Amino acid sequence: DAKTTQPTSMDCAEGRAANLPCNHSTISGNEYVYWYRQIHSQGPQYIIHGLKNNETNEMASLIITEDRKSSTLILPHATLRDTAVYYCIVRSIIQGAQKLVFGQGTRLTINP
Amino acid sequence: DAGVIQSPRHEVTEMGQEVTLRCKPISGHNSLFWYRQTMMRGLELLIYFNNNVPIDDSGMPEDRFSAKMPNASFSTLKIQPSEPRDSAVYFCASRETGAWGAFFGQGTRLTVV
Repeated sequence: DAKTTQPTSMDCAEGRAANLPCNHSTISGNEYVYWYRQIHSQGPQYIIHGLKNNETNEMASLIITEDRKSSTLILPHATLRDTAVYYCIVRSIIQGAQKLVFGQGTRLTINP
Repeated sequence: DAGVIQSPRHEVTEMGQEVTLRCKPISGHNSLFWYRQTMMRGLELLIYFNNNVPIDDSGMPEDRFSAKMPNASFSTLKIQPSEPRDSAVYFCASRETGAWGAFFGQGTRLTVV
């Protein structure tokens, strides 16, 4: 699986858009980009995934560059409850099962 | 659905004792994962099962660790004998075939003294 690079920490004001970058310059053609987050003392939570097109769901938007070497997770109107560690994961499907390998992630703090 | 259920939520044991962590995946999910999380190493994948069969156990630290999935609704992670360095939060996750996201349980916080 391709390696990802994320900033260690970020801050964002409540109500503003939080933009979390991820670099995955060695991504291969069959690898998807996944985002998970982990709120303190809880298990990780799936947010969104994408292959090459931009994606949006009720939680966030995912913007993937045309060369697929980087992506940005956007939380459009951040709230205090969005304070968490955000993980960017790149992986391919292996034998039908999903093998997620988590890096260190970005610790996002939403400030009032 | 109650989500992925792990038990116990907290476990304190003495070094050398056997520890068994339990997981009930979401009904209908056919992939199950065991992770370990520590401050030093972050989230580590220990093993995952597909249709109750272990697919990749390369993350299991050593022979003291073993995992089983006797049926689609139950899995165990056993440590025997336990050591202080095994202290961590252990997460179980499950995923449905064709779904993109995995669902994680609340974790078991293990402390070995």
